[in-house]
Amino acid sequence: LAKTTQPISMDSYEGQEVNITCSHNNIATNDYITWYQQFPSQGPRFIIQGYKTKVTNEVASLFIPADRKSSTLSLPRVSLSDTAVYYCLVVDTGRRALTFGSGTRLQVQP
Amino acid sequence: DADVTQTPRNRITKTGKRIMLECSQTKGHDRMYWYRQDPGLGLRLIYYSFDVKDINKGEISDGYSVSRQAQAKFSLSLESAIPNQTALYFCATSDPLQLREADTQYFGPGTRLTVL
Repeated sequence: LAKTTQPISMDSYEGQEVNITCSHNNIATNDYITWYQQFPSQGPRFIIQGYKTKVTNEVASLFIPADRKSSTLSLPRVSLSDTAVYYCLVVDTGRRALTFGSGTRLQVQP
Repeated sequence: DADVTQTPRNRITKTGKRIMLECSQTKGHDRMYWYRQDPGLGLRLIYYSFDVKDINKGEISDGYSVSRQAQAKFSLSLESAIPNQTALYFCATSDPLQLREADTQYFGPGTRLTVL
């Protein structure tokens, strides 16, 4: 079970790019890196998933180096509504459940 | 996700009472999960079910039981509620046949349970 480590909190301002790094040193071959977003009193919501290199969707980009021991979630031009907790998870294709850490609490200021 | 609903949304009860939290989904997913979240912490898995006949304990199943009445319904029961079960409870669903490479879960809005 690959454990992840990410910063407890981050602060940013509107319009800035935010990069949240997650380390997963014992990631296995079958593991994918997945990020979820959670707003207060709501359930987590899937943001992005990747295996290697770079993945981009309408919400974020995910950068994964060749050794896959870390990953970086990039949120372009954040707004106040991006204030949330972001969870990095390592998920394999056969796993039966997700393990959430404490996540990174992102606070976006005006 | 509006396709995953939980009832009730809020509940206050007393120690020793039996409580049932219900989850329904219209996504047609086979897999369903129950998590609890304590303030400032991540989610912890209580029980999960891969189909109606497949129910499994998660990391913190003591004090809880579940029932998978149908593909669309998964209920969580606290047989005798205690104060340290005060938490936010989330139901989630997933479908391993979806296009993403690894299982992605869709969460309900949560039930805030307070045990006095």
